[in-house]
Amino acid sequence: GENVEQHPSTLSVQEGDSAVIKCTYSDSASNYFPWYKQELGKGPQLIIDIRSNVGEKKDQRIAVTLNKTAKHFSLHITETQPEDSAVYFCAASPVGTGANNLFFGTGTRLTVIP
Amino acid sequence: NAGVTQTPKFRILKIGQSMTLQCTQDMNHNYMYWYRQDPGMGLKLIYYSVGAGITDKGEVPNGYNVSRSTTEDFPLRLELAAPSQTSVYFCASSYSGQYNQPQHFGDGTRLSIL
Repeated sequence: GENVEQHPSTLSVQEGDSAVIKCTYSDSASNYFPWYKQELGKGPQLIIDIRSNVGEKKDQRIAVTLNKTAKHFSLHITETQPEDSAVYFCAASPVGTGANNLFFGTGTRLTVIP
Repeated sequence: NAGVTQTPKFRILKIGQSMTLQCTQDMNHNYMYWYRQDPGMGLKLIYYSVGAGITDKGEVPNGYNVSRSTTEDFPLRLELAAPSQTSVYFCASSYSGQYNQPQHFGDGTRLSIL
């Protein structure tokens, strides 16, 4: 099955700086890559996603890049704010897996220092 | 529109007891999922369903059962609780279709087995 690795496990940045989280995947059949933000005591919330026919996608301060050849994708958060502090998860979905099943990375705990 | 609702939010079980975790969604999604999240780890898929009456195993199905009698509800059953099943359980749902659709998560059930 698909294996998703995520780095770093923890990341601290000063408010206003950028944060980058990287993920690699193993199954070349994966074609959908969402990123989720999880706040304490809450379920994961989708913040951005990208499909395999696109190399980059932006939504205000958040961007995701995808390199299909190298099988890696990254989340970029610019101008970080204290409310960006949370755990972030990447995921990958191989074509043809049941209900478009997701395989998750192990998470990155981002702390934005005011 | 409540989204995905999970009950209970917290539960303590004794070894060998059984219980049902409830999940309901009001978005008319065909696809539904159950995940478990262990400390410091990503989410692992337990079971999923592509529609009423149809369920299938995910990565970690042992010790669990599910049913899907309606579009809205997808309960998860633990028959003989074991300490290894101490975890946070998340239910999710998504639209079906040719392309991957975002999964929407509930806020989880925190289960401890002692």
